[in-house]
Amino acid sequence: GENVEQHPSTLSVQEGDSAVIKCTYSDSASNYFPWYKQELGKRPQLIIDIRSNVGEKKDQRIAVTLNKTAKHFSLHITETQPEDSAVYFCAASYGQNFVFGPGTRLSVLP
Amino acid sequence: DVKVTQSSRYLVKRTGEKVFLECVQDMDHENMFWYRQDPGLGLRLIYFSYDVKMKEKGDIPEGYSVSREKKERFSLILESASTNQTSMYLCASSYRVGTEAFFGQGTRLTVV
Repeated sequence: GENVEQHPSTLSVQEGDSAVIKCTYSDSASNYFPWYKQELGKRPQLIIDIRSNVGEKKDQRIAVTLNKTAKHFSLHITETQPEDSAVYFCAASYGQNFVFGPGTRLSVLP
Repeated sequence: DVKVTQSSRYLVKRTGEKVFLECVQDMDHENMFWYRQDPGLGLRLIYFSYDVKMKEKGDIPEGYSVSREKKERFSLILESASTNQTSMYLCASSYRVGTEAFFGQGTRLTVV
């Protein structure tokens, strides 16, 4: 089955710096890759997603890149702000469902 | 806005009890999911359903069962609760394969 790895597990950056989180997947049939943000005590919410026919997608300070050949995709957050502090999960579609990575706890230090 | 609502935010149950966790979505989504969230392990799929009365096992189905009698409702059942089932349980739904999953607010279950 599908396996999704995510690194790093924790990440601390200074406010204004960039943050990068990387994920790898194992099943070449996966074709949809969402990223979720979960703030403390809240539900995970989609922040950006990418499909396998696209190499990069950007939404304001957030971007996602996908390398199908290498089976990895990354989340890039620029000009980080304290409200970006949360746990971020990557996921890959697998059949009718999703497989999630273990999460990255991002802390943005003021 | 899509709403996925879980019946309880917090539950405390005794070992051996039968526990029902309910989830309702209001957007006519085909797919519904139950995940378990534990620190460092991310979101692990327990069961999912892609249609009424249809269910598929996820990665960790042991000790759990599900029921989907109506499209909008997906129930997770712990047949005989054990302390190792103490966890955060998240329900989610999506319109179809390869579309955004919307999550409920979670149920934090403690089994004592």
